Amino acid sequence: AQTVTQSQPEMSVQEAETVTLSCTYDTSENNYYLFWYKQPPSRQMILVIRQEAYKQQNATENRFSVNFQKAAKSFSLKISDSQLGDTAMYFCAFANAGGTSYGKLTFGQGTILTVHP
Amino acid sequence: DADVTQTPRNRITKTGKRIMLECSQTKGHDRMYWYRQDPGLGLRLIYYSFDVKDINKGEISDGYSVSRQAQAKFSLSLESAIPNQTALYFCATSQTGGLETQYFGPGTRLLVL
Repeated sequence: AQTVTQSQPEMSVQEAETVTLSCTYDTSENNYYLFWYKQPPSRQMILVIRQEAYKQQNATENRFSVNFQKAAKSFSLKISDSQLGDTAMYFCAFANAGGTSYGKLTFGQGTILTVHP
Repeated sequence: DADVTQTPRNRITKTGKRIMLECSQTKGHDRMYWYRQDPGLGLRLIYYSFDVKDINKGEISDGYSVSRQAQAKFSLSLESAIPNQTALYFCATSQTGGLETQYFGPGTRLLVL
């Protein structure tokens, strides 16, 4: 079974600065997908970024980028130029591309990020 | 209009009552999911369906049942609600071949007294 671990229950950052959220995962599969979802106080789950394991290039979406280290099974999220609207709970998630757990997301416990003015 | 909708958004019920949470989507996706979120535990999968005739148990299906009435509709039932089913419930959808990316509804906050 896959597991996803977010070891930082809470993080804080000053507006306009950069912050990195950590995520590690455990799997025996070779082909899979990794995601970061954002949950603001409105409680809506919003997709931030996706990484395909077969791609060596790290995914980027505007101010959001990842550091994907497949051998280390690490998938961190970097938020540049932090904004007050980035304040949210962030979840790391894993999905197999095949196998018995195909199509199911496994989530980490979440990291609460607070951006201070 | 939202692509994935859930009704009700908030619900208070009593122990032993049967309740149904409903999910509808206009994304045209074939797969639908139900999750629950508890503090400190992230989201956990309750049931999932890859098409109208396919229903599968997830990690925590005990005490729950589902119905896939149509491709666009997926309902979650609590046959006899108990207080430890108090949680935030999310419906999600994805498309086969869509890089396993799931899109979530706004959530239903359920309180069982």
